[in-house]
Amino acid sequence: QKEVEQDPGPLSVPEGAIVSLNCTYSNSAFQYFMWYRQYSRKGPELLMYTYSSGNKEDGRFTAQVDKSSKYISLFIRDSQPSDSATYLCAMSGYNQGGKLIFGQGTELSVKP
Amino acid sequence: NAGVTQTPKFQVLKTGQSMTLQCAQDMNHEYMSWYRQDPGMGLRLIHYSVGAGITDQGEVPNGYNVSRSTTEDFPLRLLSAAPSQTSVYFCASSSSRGYEKLFFGSGTQLSVL
Repeated sequence: QKEVEQDPGPLSVPEGAIVSLNCTYSNSAFQYFMWYRQYSRKGPELLMYTYSSGNKEDGRFTAQVDKSSKYISLFIRDSQPSDSATYLCAMSGYNQGGKLIFGQGTELSVKP
Repeated sequence: NAGVTQTPKFQVLKTGQSMTLQCAQDMNHEYMSWYRQDPGMGLRLIHYSVGAGITDQGEVPNGYNVSRSTTEDFPLRLLSAAPSQTSVYFCASSSSRGYEKLFFGSGTQLSVL
């Protein structure tokens, strides 16, 4: 079993929809939780970063972490065609020196 | 600001050939790492470094070698290429004050025939 599980999709939604992306994990030592966005043929870019449990909001994006359930989510409100990309969750523990464990990535397509 | 620069962008090798993937960053980041990305597998860590002269293995290190002689550069060497090493390779860097926030290069697409 992988340490981090993510539904690879693909996920297709109409423009304006609310998108929910999720990851589960098994390692209780994870403390840092990230979402990266990767456009086709590009390197991933950090989208959201959360430390420990709780919510974080940035514009149309909200990241949630539930450590008790070992479950993290990314919500995208009012989705736009420009949000079409692969979304990767990533996690790390203390003092891991840039060693992140990634999920498989979810491919999202937002149709106009 | 160039960020993380990877070369080459594309490469085709024959089985048994060796080559070096180059990675350079201009952000004075202490941490650098190499990942490979395969369909359905996400990103998997190959090797990483927490500073010049210090390297360690990641999840899938076999068949790869690294060294870090300067803060800026972190080359990845394929010693004897195999078809299983066909993948997209990403180099990343991060600061010790935010080492979870990786900055990625644009990737190298490698095919081994």
